[in-house]
Amino acid sequence: EVQLVESGGGLLQSGGSLRLPCAASGFTFSSYAMIWVRQAPGKGLEWVSKISGRGTTSYYADSVKGRFTISRDNSKNTLYLEMDSLRAEDTAVYYCARLTSGWIDYWGQGTLVTVSS
Amino acid sequence: QPVLTQSSSASASLGSSVKLTCTLSSGHSAYIIAWHQQQPGKAPRYLMKLEGSGTYNRGSGVPDRFSGSSSGADRYLTISNLQSEDEADYYCETWESNTHAVFGGGTQLTVL
Repeated sequence: EVQLVESGGGLLQSGGSLRLPCAASGFTFSSYAMIWVRQAPGKGLEWVSKISGRGTTSYYADSVKGRFTISRDNSKNTLYLEMDSLRAEDTAVYYCARLTSGWIDYWGQGTLVTVSS
Repeated sequence: QPVLTQSSSASASLGSSVKLTCTLSSGHSAYIIAWHQQQPGKAPRYLMKLEGSGTYNRGSGVPDRFSGSSSGADRYLTISNLQSEDEADYYCETWESNTHAVFGGGTQLTVL
């Protein structure tokens, strides 16, 4: 069974940093590209970042470029999102998700990040 | 970059059918999309991938009450025999050059 479990969320002040891990199981992690998607309270889904299976290629939404870094450790079956210079508008539930043939087919349960100004 | 447009809300009666629409922006009418369901307080769940031809592939465990179809730039999700648990937000997803994902604004479905 495919499982994606995010952790690391919490409350922090504007300008702070946080790293979110996403532990994957039930599939060959290194064979799949992975992404992060966020959802602000009461709002829709917003794509944040994508990383290739080997971790050699990554892409970012303009809203987080230069502040967030996506990475992965295939030996630990874990995806990461390093978030720096956090702003109040980064407050959201952050989901990791798996891509199959370029499409999201599994989602994690999400972790809430709250940034106070 | 493609833009996906969805109606903000829809409603239908228990046991009936409803058809939700996701419209691709001009110049992107051939794009493939995916549909996702988000029940209240839960994470999204993948429902299906839907091509411009109307061919669709449901995700694992998705009931066959959920089906897809296409017409031009419109991509549809039809839910038959509506159940109370179908009350949820429905999002469509597509990609620009396999590098940047785009989501529609979501449709909130109410089951009456």
